[in-house]
Amino acid sequence: AQRVTQPEKLLSVFKGAPVELKCNYSYSGSPELFWYVQYSRQRLQLLLRHISRESIKGFTADLNKGETSFHLKKPFAQEEDSAMYYCALGNTGGFKTIFGAGTRLFVKA
Amino acid sequence: NAGVTQTPKFRVLKTGQSMTLLCAQDMNHEYMYWYRQDPGMGLRLIHYSVGEGTTAKGEVPDGYNVSRLKKQNFLLGLESAAPSQTSVYFCASSSTGYTGELFFGEGSRLTVL
Repeated sequence: AQRVTQPEKLLSVFKGAPVELKCNYSYSGSPELFWYVQYSRQRLQLLLRHISRESIKGFTADLNKGETSFHLKKPFAQEEDSAMYYCALGNTGGFKTIFGAGTRLFVKA
Repeated sequence: NAGVTQTPKFRVLKTGQSMTLLCAQDMNHEYMYWYRQDPGMGLRLIHYSVGEGTTAKGEVPDGYNVSRLKKQNFLLGLESAAPSQTSVYFCASSSTGYTGELFFGEGSRLTVL
């Protein structure tokens, strides 16, 4: 079965500390993986996707097919990074995208 | 540039009442989706559409119906609302289906008493 697992519901770090939001997926085919972010009072938006291999707002994510993981990392967290983060799996057949349960990141001053 | 617009943004229903949520997109996207967002469960796909006149079931379709009569609109209906349908509903659209970026609406908060 296709599944996305985000093991942490809440992650709290201090400003300037490194942050890693974990994401594991289950999919037998070739995955398309995304990170979406929802800031307070804003709509859900794409943060980054694995095929673009780019850094957005200091965040990076590497697809590890061996470990079936797509963890989101940032070396120095900022207060404005506080938000809800969702890992998502595309290419699941039937043209749909599946989301994880989400991790709320709280960056303390 | 409106993008994806959902109406209404808030609604309170009594058990057994019916209602329709409207999603409109102005980006000429083929693919449209309805998700519900619940605490601890993330976003779960209710129904989706791969083009005008088509619909398909997602993960949690029971109790909902949808229609895509026009390419730009995707309607989500609740025929007989239940308290378990209290949630925040998000519409999304995409130009390339599962490989592309999803563009989301602002969400519709529905409470069923």
